[in-house]
Amino acid sequence: EPEVTQTPSHQVTQMGQEVILRCVPISNHLYFYWYRQILGQKVEFLVSFYNNEISEKSEIFDDQFSVERPDGSNFTLKIRSTKLEDSAMYFCASSGLAGGLEQYFGPGTRLTVT
Amino acid sequence: GENVEQHPSTLSVQEGDSAVIKCTYSDSASNYFPWYKQELGKGPQLIIDIRSNVGEKKDQRIAVTLNKTAKHFSLHITETQPEDSAVYFCAAFLLGNQFYFGTGTSLTVIP
Repeated sequence: EPEVTQTPSHQVTQMGQEVILRCVPISNHLYFYWYRQILGQKVEFLVSFYNNEISEKSEIFDDQFSVERPDGSNFTLKIRSTKLEDSAMYFCASSGLAGGLEQYFGPGTRLTVT
Repeated sequence: GENVEQHPSTLSVQEGDSAVIKCTYSDSASNYFPWYKQELGKGPQLIIDIRSNVGEKKDQRIAVTLNKTAKHFSLHITETQPEDSAVYFCAAFLLGNQFYFGTGTSLTVIP
């Protein structure tokens, strides 16, 4: 069964450093998403991406964040200058259907900013 | 934006009993309501969903009901098993917008 994969599983970085989180969505999917989940809290939408551009973003997704689909398989989330409050689980998801329904999530990357 | 509330935050049931988790939403234009199961250390897994033109949907031991008038939807798990123990999240989606998740329910099935 196809699945979304994410690397690394755990990333530790110092405040102010740049991090890139990587995702490989399901191969025939067209819509890609990033979410974050602070420990013990709800899943929060960050951004959706379709046809090589951002289609929606939340107020969390400020200028410190960017997304890219550098090739036909990877989807990345970059945080330019990490802050302590960026520590969270980051989930990538993908969907093959119009409107982004029926999303499939990856296992997540735990980001720890020290 | 949409506001999704979920209750209860924790739920313990005996194996074989039923479990019900409820969510309410605020935006009547939301039209898709998935439920996700999240096991420890893993990403959310879609288990069932319902669209706004349907009142109920069932998949084996799992069912979801939707009351559009009252703006609430519920997850029903019958004949619970220990492997049903996990955190369950509801979500509401407004087409062209984004998903809004509930705060999660930690379900424990006691053998």
